[in-house]
Amino acid sequence: AQKITQTQPGMFVQEKEAVTLDCTYDTSDPSYGLFWYKQPSSGEMIFLIYQGSYDQQNATEGRYSLNFQKARKSANLVISASQLGDSAMYFCAMREGVSSGSARQLTFGSGTQLTVLP
Amino acid sequence: ETGVTQTPRHLVMGMTNKKSLKCEQHLGHNAMYWYKQSAKKPLELMFVYSLEERVENNSVPSRFSPECPNSSHLFLHLHTLQPEDSALYLCASSQGIHTGELFFGEGSRLTVL
Repeated sequence: AQKITQTQPGMFVQEKEAVTLDCTYDTSDPSYGLFWYKQPSSGEMIFLIYQGSYDQQNATEGRYSLNFQKARKSANLVISASQLGDSAMYFCAMREGVSSGSARQLTFGSGTQLTVLP
Repeated sequence: ETGVTQTPRHLVMGMTNKKSLKCEQHLGHNAMYWYKQSAKKPLELMFVYSLEERVENNSVPSRFSPECPNSSHLFLHLHTLQPEDSALYLCASSQGIHTGELFFGEGSRLTVL
């Protein structure tokens, strides 16, 4: 079974508007971390935001926020005030067992291609 | 100077060639990784090194041979590849192998003819 599911292969958003990129995950481990990465056309994967499974509040980093709904096992990325430079592939990833000292490696979703329209 | 540097950025090779991809990290990290990114597929973890020792090898064919001479450098030696090996190969590093986010290079785009 897929650990990370991103159901939106492509998304469009108007410049200056907010957009939500969906991510659901599957794990039976109570301790895990969720990551979002951005990959522009240059190829480099850029870390955006992190949410731990025990974190009480949703993570925020500038214009990025993570809508963490633990019961639904979803970790959607919200980008506010979209900019043209936000056009890129966005990947959701998960690392299980983060508190155990033997965490597994990151598992990535298939990504969402975001296009910001002028 | 970027944190993780990969060379070459683009490589075209025949199936009988031998080539190498190079990765260098300037972040003082202890762990380094090779990932393969094929079109419309999730990133696939290939190899993980921690303090120059290989700690994970995810059933990668032997035509891919990693080398980690020190904690700052990682190589991927390629020989007798197949066309389906054409992909973007991404190198990453992290503080430790179980914690923190990964810092990626820009990747090496490999085309096998």
